[in-house]
Amino acid sequence: AQSVTQLGSHVSVSEGALVLLRCNYSSSVPPYLFWYVQYPNQGLQLLLKYTTGATLVKGINGFEAEFKKSETSFHLTKPSAHMSDAAEYFCAVSDRGVTGGGNKLTFGTGTQLKVEL
Amino acid sequence: DGGITQSPKYLFRKEGQNVTLSCEQNLNHDAMYWYRQDPGQGLRLIYYSQIVNDFQKGDIAEGYSVSREKKESFPLTVTSAQKNPTAFYLCASSIGLAKYEQYFGPGTRLTVT
Repeated sequence: AQSVTQLGSHVSVSEGALVLLRCNYSSSVPPYLFWYVQYPNQGLQLLLKYTTGATLVKGINGFEAEFKKSETSFHLTKPSAHMSDAAEYFCAVSDRGVTGGGNKLTFGTGTQLKVEL
Repeated sequence: DGGITQSPKYLFRKEGQNVTLSCEQNLNHDAMYWYRQDPGQGLRLIYYSQIVNDFQKGDIAEGYSVSREKKESFPLTVTSAQKNPTAFYLCASSIGLAKYEQYFGPGTRLTVT
């Protein structure tokens, strides 16, 4: 069984400050990991993904995340927050089809990012 | 422009009525998914379909039904048996293999009173 834990349902940062959103996962197989962003009343947009290879992955809008197997973590960072980054962020892990159902994602409960002037 | 469309954006129904949410994709993806989103609970999988004429229950399928008669369409029916139907519903699709990300539609907000 898989699970995703996002520490902190709400995170507040000042504009220009570092953004750090935490994600820890549990998976019985080497994971595929994703970060999505959701703006109010909209669908989810993929920020970045880790499948294999380089453990530091870069995404859109200046975000990046590092896969750390020893810590079972996939934290999302951005060096300098912008007002437009205010949104809800979801971490997800794929079961890679091992449960027999194809590509099933398990999502964390989300982190609401607030960016203040 | 390729993408996923969901209609309508907002839907209101009386308790006891069935309602069908539309989801169409022109990405030529094999797999499609329905999620339910409630505040503070993330996304929960309702049903998914890997190919036409085949679909499987997700984690919270009770009170819902789906069909997959065409590759591009995956409608979700919220039946009167669903005890708490008011929620934001998201449709997604993917190429099919596990490493491929899921692409999401804009969602339908269903309110049942």
